[in-house]
Amino acid sequence: GESVGLHLPTLSVQEGDNSIINCAYSNSASDYFIWYKQESGKGPQFIIDIRSNMDKRQGQRVTVLLNKTVKHLSLQIAATQPGDSAVYFCAENIPPNSGYALNFGKGTSLLVTP
Amino acid sequence: ETGVTQTPRHLVMGMTNKKSLKCEQHLGHNAMYWYKQSAKKPLELMFVYNFKEQTENNSVPSRFSPECPNSSHLFLHLHTLQPEDSALYLCASSQELGQGMKHGYTFGSGTRLTVV
Repeated sequence: GESVGLHLPTLSVQEGDNSIINCAYSNSASDYFIWYKQESGKGPQFIIDIRSNMDKRQGQRVTVLLNKTVKHLSLQIAATQPGDSAVYFCAENIPPNSGYALNFGKGTSLLVTP
Repeated sequence: ETGVTQTPRHLVMGMTNKKSLKCEQHLGHNAMYWYKQSAKKPLELMFVYNFKEQTENNSVPSRFSPECPNSSHLFLHLHTLQPEDSALYLCASSQELGQGMKHGYTFGSGTRLTVV
């Protein structure tokens, strides 16, 4: 079935470098996307979201890019810090959505080395 | 704290036990969810409640029984579980999704369940 997926299960970067985490989705009707960060022992936490009528959105040190042509979503983290080490999930909302339920990807583990 | 509180944080139970997981939110959200998180798998939606009414049961075995007495509380009753049910069980809440949606879900920290 249609689902959200990730290109790389693990990513290792050096502290201070920029990180890029990718996500592919297959449902062209998806209208809202979210990136979550999950640290060990915690639930997923919201990082940044983007609607399908946008192609870029910036937050503090994070940028989300949406390419609807190729159904691709990416999360860019600038000047990656050790505290950024976590699993990152993308999620999509597919209308009509009677259950208000988001569809999650498998996750990418980001490891930041000093 | 995210505003969504789950108890207990850890639970070990035998296959013949009955136990319950609790989730509580005071964010004024209308929808609450149970998700199962297993190693190397995407988050699996189990149940959705909207204004205390169950709107989705994602083909979950009957040994998992949800209860939503009000918009702030959600329970997951467990009985005769199997070892493969061992996982992290996450509760989440959200405002109504749709044209006004923002920030998706707020998750709790989860209950780490081990079935022995």
